[in-house]
Amino acid sequence: DAGVIQSPRHEVTEMGQEVTLRCKPISGHDYLFWYRQTMMRGLELLIYFNNNVPIDDSGMPEDRFSAKMPNASFSTLKIQPSEPRDSAVYFCASTGNRDQPQHFGDGTRLSIL
Amino acid sequence: SQQGEEDPQALSIQEGENATMNCSYKTSINNLQWYRQNSGRGLVHLILIRSNEREKHSGRLRVTLDTSKKSSSLLITASRAADTASYFCATGGMVGSYIPTFGRGTSLIVHP
Repeated sequence: DAGVIQSPRHEVTEMGQEVTLRCKPISGHDYLFWYRQTMMRGLELLIYFNNNVPIDDSGMPEDRFSAKMPNASFSTLKIQPSEPRDSAVYFCASTGNRDQPQHFGDGTRLSIL
Repeated sequence: SQQGEEDPQALSIQEGENATMNCSYKTSINNLQWYRQNSGRGLVHLILIRSNEREKHSGRLRVTLDTSKKSSSLLITASRAADTASYFCATGGMVGSYIPTFGRGTSLIVHP
């Protein structure tokens, strides 16, 4: 089992640039979650998908954030335009059942200068 | 919010000692999960305890759940330096969203 795979691991870019984070969930998992982790706010759920359909995006901070899941094995989280306050570690997680243990990737550490 | 709140925020102990972390929550839950996060890594699931269970063990880990007090504890016995990490509880709700919500974590440092 390869686990949840996220890319890139680190991203440093300038304010105003578009940022795309990528996630490959564990095969067979029907749920995919995007989280943001900061010292100030802890671990925040941004959005989650079930069978590739967005179910709850109430945690997405602004319209600058968007997420897609075009198929069962791939999801993206996009920030356009990026701002310094978006700097955080972004995690993707997947699970086979909504209230069961989630499997996390190792995250993307994003720095917006 | 049914978000779990861990206590203490930080814990520093010597190798061989036991470490106890607590989690409190506000509304009825379906289950409660504990996760561990090593520096620079994602969260790793440790134990899931259901609302009708009172205690669960896994190796050196012991989790208790008191639904009347809306609290849970995670005990790590005979701690090792490798147990140094942040520990999070996540509560899964019974009504509305079943998606677990995470607390802010307890940072555990085990000194060799």
